[in-house]
Amino acid sequence: GAVVSQHPSRVICKSGTSVKIECRSLDFQATTMFWYRQFPKQSLMLMATSNEGSKATYEQGVEKDKFLINHASLTLSTLTVTSAHPEDSSFYICSASILDSLDYEQYFGPGTRLTVT
Amino acid sequence: AQSVTQPDIHITVSEGASLELRCNYSYGATPYLFWYVQSPGQGLQLLLKYFSGDTLVQGIKGFEAEFKRSQSSFNLRKPSVHWSDAAEYFCAVDSGTYKYIFGTGTRLKVLA
Repeated sequence: GAVVSQHPSRVICKSGTSVKIECRSLDFQATTMFWYRQFPKQSLMLMATSNEGSKATYEQGVEKDKFLINHASLTLSTLTVTSAHPEDSSFYICSASILDSLDYEQYFGPGTRLTVT
Repeated sequence: AQSVTQPDIHITVSEGASLELRCNYSYGATPYLFWYVQSPGQGLQLLLKYFSGDTLVQGIKGFEAEFKRSQSSFNLRKPSVHWSDAAEYFCAVDSGTYKYIFGTGTRLKVLA
């Protein structure tokens, strides 16, 4: 149980275009989803936290207008990288948790590799 | 500020040897502690977690970790490493806010 999927797994886009990444909880309802960014050979940096039906909470230094997050349902959150530039190339990972669960565990998706040319 | 430190960026061990990966955290109370493993280009897989109770936690793939409050540590161990254990290992801490703070990771290389 507790499977999280991401789509696409890899995407290449041209500079200036927008890219949408989907994160789905397949067998549970995720009240909270998290978006992380991981640079090569580095750790995961939390970008934002999204709760179903409300606006996302962005971490300091993350541009909310550039990284649009929508958590429209209890099983789907999307991250849209708007007007992408080469410096946005990265590995994006989402995770999902059940708020008020007793274990504070986050379930991670397999990640999406974004390359902006 | 809360922080998680993994002092070893790289560790190389021979197959069959024992392994210990270090993790120290900075937080006033006892946080929720996790160890994850990441293979290249993949997401994170949970190895084990600690919330309360027995301070020695058993996980998957033969891994265990011990929580030591006095040392603010949560070190990961495995008695005999397999070549398939080569990966990146991350320690993570949740202070009860449902938000993780990750360590910088330790890359494990296993020699045949």
